[in-house]
Amino acid sequence: DQQVKQNSPSLSVQEGRISILNCDYTNSMFDYFLWYKKYPAEGPTFLISISSIKDKNEDGRFTVFLNKSAKHLSLHIVPSQPGDSAVYFCAASAKFAGNTGKLIFGQGTTLQVKP
Amino acid sequence: DAGITQSPRHKVTETGTPVTLRCHQTENHRYMYWYRQDPGHGLRLIHYSYGVKDTDKGEVSDGYSVSRSKTEDFLLTLESATSSQTSVYFCAISLSGTTDTQYFGPGTRLTVL
Repeated sequence: DQQVKQNSPSLSVQEGRISILNCDYTNSMFDYFLWYKKYPAEGPTFLISISSIKDKNEDGRFTVFLNKSAKHLSLHIVPSQPGDSAVYFCAASAKFAGNTGKLIFGQGTTLQVKP
Repeated sequence: DAGITQSPRHKVTETGTPVTLRCHQTENHRYMYWYRQDPGHGLRLIHYSYGVKDTDKGEVSDGYSVSRSKTEDFLLTLESATSSQTSVYFCAISLSGTTDTQYFGPGTRLTVL
């Protein structure tokens, strides 16, 4: 029972173009969503988050969009750079339901940005 | 970078042997978590702690136990390792649990033969 799904295992884009990574969730109790980036042999690093009271959050080249009615979020990277090549995980939490911060992760999407 | 270390970083062991992984933090964060990462599953929560001696189960806790006797250390124990526990294990910390982002350690790659 996968509550958070990233249906695209991999994505390849050209340097300078937009990368769009998608994530779907099933649990309507989720109210906080995060994106993590992971390089090989390293731990995941936090990238950007969004609360369910917003539909967009932007940080530099990274923007996360949330569509609550569709239970869908996406991460846009513009412009994409070769250093963005990594595995990206979306994660969800029922943060305001007092669940002590437990995160449910998607399976991950491997992004390759070609020079 | 958050001050989180994990030891050992790599371990190979045999089925049936006990294994303990250590997570150490220098941030004085209250919440600590253990995850495992497997292909096709992302990261899954094993156990977490919300204070010294306060722990609870995650979604894949069978075969694992944890202990936290000091704020800075969170131990994950496999009492009798099985091949299905071959994985990469990550520790994470959070200042307050419900309101803060989790920060991850570098991981421990465990192979059970």
